[in-house]
Amino acid sequence: KNQVEQSPQSLIILEGKNCTLQCNYTVSPFSNLRWYKQDTGRGPVSLTIMTFSENTKSNGRYTATLDADTKQSSLHITASQLSDSASYICVVSANTGTASKLTFGTGTRLQVTL
Amino acid sequence: KAGVTQTPRYLIKTRGQQVTLSCSPISGHRSVSWYQQTPGQGLQFLFEYFSETQRNKGNFPGRFSGRQFSNSRSEMNVSTLELGDSALYLCASSLAKPGWSEAFFGQGTRLTVV
Repeated sequence: KNQVEQSPQSLIILEGKNCTLQCNYTVSPFSNLRWYKQDTGRGPVSLTIMTFSENTKSNGRYTATLDADTKQSSLHITASQLSDSASYICVVSANTGTASKLTFGTGTRLQVTL
Repeated sequence: KAGVTQTPRYLIKTRGQQVTLSCSPISGHRSVSWYQQTPGQGLQFLFEYFSETQRNKGNFPGRFSGRQFSNSRSEMNVSTLELGDSALYLCASSLAKPGWSEAFFGQGTRLTVV
């Protein structure tokens, strides 16, 4: 069964600090992995998308890493801001011919405080 | 360009009623996927439509159905509503298969069943 597990479930950090969110997956056949940011009551917004051959990808203060061997990904947020307070969702795609399926993690809820 | 538009944004229904939610994808996108999001379960895949055909389906009862029109707009219908159907319903559009091309989410419809 395809699964995506994220840790921690929730996190509180001070503004300006860095943090790292984790994503472990058992999805086959692996196609790509995405990180989404979801503000409360709004739809998820894509931060990064990584394929099998990519180890790291950055989007401003967000840097995602992927280790396809250990099936782990991380999202590192640098110099956090209050606006980073949101849920971060890891999504892994499995593609088999004409079908594709996204498996979602339950997310990490990040709160950035003063 | 305009994003994914979901209507209505909020909805309150009573048990036993039925409801229809609408999703207008980004212009040119032919794939529309629907998801249910609840606090404990995260995002759960409902179904995906491409060129008016249901291409993929999640593990939801038959009370949940959908369709896609020739202009790629999609509707989702839930019949005989139950309290447990209260959730944020999100739709996502993509150019082709959601696993291959990036999925863009709408703001969601918040359904409350009382």
